[in-house]
Amino acid sequence: QVQLVQSGAEVKQPGASVKVSCKTSGYSFTVYHIHWVRQAPGQGLEWMGWVNTNTGGTDYAQRFQGRVTMTRDTSTATTYMELSGLRSGDTAVYYCARRRDTAMKTPFDYWGQGTLVTVPS
Amino acid sequence: SNVLTQPPSVSVVPGQTASISCGGSNIGSKSVHWYQQKPGQAPVLVVHDDSVRPSGIPERFSGSNSGNTATLTISRAEVGDEADYYCQVWDSSSADPYVFGTGTRVTVL
Repeated sequence: QVQLVQSGAEVKQPGASVKVSCKTSGYSFTVYHIHWVRQAPGQGLEWMGWVNTNTGGTDYAQRFQGRVTMTRDTSTATTYMELSGLRSGDTAVYYCARRRDTAMKTPFDYWGQGTLVTVPS
Repeated sequence: SNVLTQPPSVSVVPGQTASISCGGSNIGSKSVHWYQQKPGQAPVLVVHDDSVRPSGIPERFSGSNSGNTATLTISRAEVGDEADYYCQVWDSSSADPYVFGTGTRVTVL
């Protein structure tokens, strides 16, 4: 069955970086791209960007450009999201989600379980 | 950038119908997807491409989209439908093309 399994919770100091992984299984890795979405406590969903699992190409939301890096490892079907310059406002649950590569408008049909990143103020 | 506006909360009596709106400029020209998120869980896709239910989603969930408003309808609401619901589109004209709605908390009481 399709699975997206994320790495465990992290606590980071302000200014540090965090790298969250998303290991996929149960389907052909390069047929679905991986997006990252975060959710601050009590808030809504916020799209951060995505990585083309076939080419490694990326596209990031404007507010994260310069601070986020998304990569993939096709040998392990794993995608990574690294966020640098952490501040208390980055405290959130970070989700990976897959999207079929057939068109840009396809939905996020499976999601990881989420990774809580805490940045104390 | 594109903004998708949802009502913060909707209440429904068990067995009745709940409707959740998602407002956006000319949203009727876009494909709208809906996600259900229960407390402490990841979102789950319940309707895609305006009105298509993924496998395993009850027929009680339906969607429509026209003009400036998309709507998710939950018929014969159950206590288990209590959750936050988010609409989402891909907007090719936006700098950040993957846009989520503001979210709606559905309470079944």
